[in-house]
Amino acid sequence: GAVVSQHPSRVICKSGTSVKIECRSLDFQATTMFWYRQFPKQSLMLMATSNEGSKATYEQGVEKDKFLINHASLTLSTLTVTSAHPEDSSFYICSATTVGGSNSYNSPLHFGNGTRLTVT
Amino acid sequence: AQKVTQAQTEISVVEKEDVTLDCVYETRDTTYYLFWYKQPPSGELVFLIRRNSFDEQNEISGRYSWNFQKSTSSFNFTITASQVVDSAVYFCALSEHYNTDKLIFGTGTRLQVFP
Repeated sequence: GAVVSQHPSRVICKSGTSVKIECRSLDFQATTMFWYRQFPKQSLMLMATSNEGSKATYEQGVEKDKFLINHASLTLSTLTVTSAHPEDSSFYICSATTVGGSNSYNSPLHFGNGTRLTVT
Repeated sequence: AQKVTQAQTEISVVEKEDVTLDCVYETRDTTYYLFWYKQPPSGELVFLIRRNSFDEQNEISGRYSWNFQKSTSSFNFTITASQVVDSAVYFCALSEHYNTDKLIFGTGTRLQVFP
């Protein structure tokens, strides 16, 4: 079964509003979560690395004030798209891993099912 | 810098044909991991395989097989006797040595299998 749950799977919001996406690890403690963004018919691009209890590390070109990441517990990381605009419409997907990485427990890295955000 | 190239943007085949998806990678690390993921129209990423850089043995899993050639920095994926359900976007990915779960994805290959 799925070990990473992402919610909501689909959201439509109005321009200027904020949207929160949750990523939960269901049966393990996720010390690190990764957030990716995928524009239509394009690849997945890493946005940020979220470490439990510390500030997220953002990739170059990703606005940290716009994409707020909170990893307050070992099972939950949230991505908040603030003041969303139509150009933020995308597919957002998270992955989660534990101490030592997925290879330490000989299990594939699992991704959430993604959130399709549409900003009107 | 690390990079993954999937030169084939889209491939169309007829059911039962064999198809190979190419993946070429660049890295300066001597230790790294390579992955293939399938993304059906619903959007989720389905893990297919992970291979570390020290294991060059080819792998077969049912109709799927992978050919890892370090000499050419390639990790190609072959589907034998393709089926309509294989239609999806397939991503090849590379992970860093010191952060093995941080993936760098290729641009993906969209495979369409027609009945």
